[in-house]
Amino acid sequence: DQQVKQNSPSLSVQEGRISILNCDYTNSMFDYFLWYKKYPAEGPTFLISISSIKDKNEDGRFTVFLNKSAKHLSLHIVPSQPGDSAVYFCAATRTQGGSEKLVFGKGTKLTVNP
Amino acid sequence: ETGVTQTPRHLVMGMTNKKSLKCEQHLGHNAMYWYKQSAKKPLELMFVYNFKEQTENNSVPSRFSPECPNSSHLFLHLHTLQPEDSALYLCASSRRLERRVEQFFGPGTRLTVL
Repeated sequence: DQQVKQNSPSLSVQEGRISILNCDYTNSMFDYFLWYKKYPAEGPTFLISISSIKDKNEDGRFTVFLNKSAKHLSLHIVPSQPGDSAVYFCAATRTQGGSEKLVFGKGTKLTVNP
Repeated sequence: ETGVTQTPRHLVMGMTNKKSLKCEQHLGHNAMYWYKQSAKKPLELMFVYNFKEQTENNSVPSRFSPECPNSSHLFLHLHTLQPEDSALYLCASSRRLERRVEQFFGPGTRLTVL
């Protein structure tokens, strides 16, 4: 059973507009969430993270929002640029106890059209 | 370039072959990881090493045998694999074994088992 779900396999957005990538999780023990970005033929690279004590974290054009009651997080990219075209993975973990796992979603392929 | 290199980048092997995947990190990190990404599935953690000691084996079949001779190198020895083992194998490292700490990924080895 998937604990981290990214229900949209793909998303297409016009350059300059907002990209919103969504992620849902089922394990209420998760308290730390990360987004990774992956270009073809490269490994994932860390983008932004958020702790469950916050509901928002911003880094330049990237903002992650966390809704703990809904077990939902989203990544906003504003404004979107063609170079943002990549696969975005949501990941979650519990910082205390359990194993040393990051649990990943399947990814959402974002295409930003010029 | 993340500082984590993997060789080979592509590997085709028969079910009776023995082969090894190699990972090297030039970042001075102490923790290293093997992940598997099968088609249409999330990234799955296989093994975790911390200061050369294995700290996690995520119920991986014994036909996959990891080796960590030092903190900079990680191997995955493959023996009598099955076609369903065909996947992208990603190595990652982190400064320390703590779940909030960013993991740096290599580009992966695309493995095909015939």
